[in-house]
Parts: sequence; C-alpha cells; structure tokens
Amino acid sequence: DTAVSQTPKYLVTQMGNDKSIKCEQNLGHDTMYWYKQDSKKFLKIMFSYNNKELIINETVPNRFSPKSPDKAHLNLHINSLELGDSAVYFCASSHAQGYEQYFGPGTRLTVT
Amino acid sequence: AQSVTQLDSQVPVFEEAPVELRCNYSSSVSVYLFWYVQYPNQGLQLLLKYLSGSTLVKGINGFEAEFNKSQTSFHLRKPSVHISDTAEYFCAVSGGGATNKLIFGTGTLLAVQP
Repeated sequence: DTAVSQTPKYLVTQMGNDKSIKCEQNLGHDTMYWYKQDSKKFLKIMFSYNNKELIINETVPNRFSPKSPDKAHLNLHINSLELGDSAVYFCASSHAQGYEQYFGPGTRLTVT
Repeated sequence: AQSVTQLDSQVPVFEEAPVELRCNYSSSVSVYLFWYVQYPNQGLQLLLKYLSGSTLVKGINGFEAEFNKSQTSFHLRKPSVHISDTAEYFCAVSGGGATNKLIFGTGTLLAVQP
C-alpha cells in the first residue's frame, strides 16, 4: 500500500530514557514533517525536511533531533525523555512546494 | 503570521441532520486551506482542500466547504450526517512555498447521535 507509516504505534518508557520513532513514506514525496498532538488534541509542527535538508525547526527543545537518511525516511530521536513529552507524534509528507500533507497513523508516546 | 480559529469545540447533531463546522483564519499572505478528519485513535485524513479556483470545494464522504475571502472563513458542511461521521475535525491553513507548514485550529468534535 502507498502510505506514510510509523513505528512503533505505542511507546511507553520512563523519564530520562532515549527513544526513537521511525517514519517512512512511499508516496514519492520530497518533504516530510513531524507534528506533535498534545492531550487536548492540539496539533503543532515540530520539524520539516526537504530532500534530507532541515527546513523548519520550530521552538522545540534540542532533546528532539530529527534525522533524515533519505527523502523517504524521517526519524525522530528524543533524549532524556520528560513527562511533558507524552503526546501523539505524527509524521506527514508532501510534494516539495506542494500543499496537502498526508499523515501517518501516529505514535502514542507515554512517559512515566 | 497565520492562525486558525474553530469556535466550536463540540457540535452535537442528530443523524441525517445537516451540519456546519466553522473555521475562520487570519493571514497576511495567500492561503491554502484544508479540512482534516481524525477518527478515534487514528491519524489525520484529508477531507478537502482549497488551493485556488472555485470557492466551493467538494471532498470525500459527502463533505464540502466554501472559501470566503471577505469573511476569512472556510466552513465545512454536510447535508446529512451519519453516525460514522463522528470524529474530530481540524481546519488548517498553509502559506505553501518552501516551508509549507500547516497551522491547525483546535479542532471540533462532531458528535452524531441516533
């Protein structure tokens, strides 16, 4: 199936740990994004990459580091997890200069 | 800067009734507008988009929206809702271009009752 996929779907971990979320798209898009959805369902962009180049870096703590090995993949690594990092993280992709974005199923991160 | 306002956090409606979900935006540049739907514990699915051209856009599942530049609105409508339409609906705006980030509203829960 053509889609945006994320792994894992659920991630439960303790404060202070380091974790990664992986995202892959096979839509042939050039641009990928990470969004965070908080407990009130508010969605906010964190990062975007275009052809492996960082384009958007919103005011996100530097504990969060995106990595794009190629234009089909955008991973999110989080160091020293905090309780406030608990949220649903969505990956998305679009054509460069394109407008509509296609979202993955989300990764629910719970920090205890 | 761009922003989106969804005034209604929840809209209860009976099955087969019409519904309108309101969305207002502000932007100093040209805008591209979107409605996304999020079913419980799922990702976001694009319902419809306005990029240019006709101000009335039709989307999936019988939804449509009208872009009104003078009122800076992009309200979502459906003439007859089903129980399966129960979900969270998000309006979003983008300026396009190199950054192309989506700015989302706070969402409206459409609760369809039998």
